[in-house]
Amino acid sequence: DTAVSQTPKYLVTQMGNDKSIKCEQNLGHDTMYWYKQDSKKFLKIMFSYNNKELIINETVPNRFSPKSPDKAHLNLHINSLELGDSAVYFCASSLAGGPSGGANVLTFGAGSRLTVL
Amino acid sequence: SQQGEEDPQALSIQEGENATMNCSYKTSINNLQWYRQNSGRGLVHLILIRSNEREKHSGRLRVTLDTSKKSSSLLITASRAADTASYFCATARSDSWGKLQFGAGTQVVVTP
Repeated sequence: DTAVSQTPKYLVTQMGNDKSIKCEQNLGHDTMYWYKQDSKKFLKIMFSYNNKELIINETVPNRFSPKSPDKAHLNLHINSLELGDSAVYFCASSLAGGPSGGANVLTFGAGSRLTVL
Repeated sequence: SQQGEEDPQALSIQEGENATMNCSYKTSINNLQWYRQNSGRGLVHLILIRSNEREKHSGRLRVTLDTSKKSSSLLITASRAADTASYFCATARSDSWGKLQFGAGTQVVVTP
């Protein structure tokens, strides 16, 4: 059973299109994340949700909109795709971290490679 | 801003040798973690060391943490071809536990 699954694995699209990436975790974790990995392998956090509530929203263009229908799902919708959006997007989940919880060890999905032409 | 920075960027060794990579960070942390990424795959958690710990072991992995120098090292002993991967350090800042920040990784190639 895949712990964190994201679809699609590959996505090739034209500039200006709108696309979505879906993520689901079956670990019972409270917190889910979206990370972007660029061509130099640098991994940057984009968003984080805890129990459907947005808790981290980094400086990301408004064209990116996360949605969490329940704590097991976190989807990423991207409007008006640009060439610079080409990257690998990783979904991850963890138990709630912080003073009231444990350390936030992340479980990652396999990634969704987005190519914008 | 990038929190963890790994050094070296790339490392090539032969099977049986040890591989050492370092990570430096800038702010006060609660814990530091190391992850491995095989080509085309997601990251896999390897080991976590808390700010009040100095050394930790897990199998062939040894991690050290020096909070005074804001640095950590990961040692893989008796490397195997299967250890070929990119290794990332990630830091959980004391003031922002939920935001785990990664560096750009060290690419390790182990040749048989």
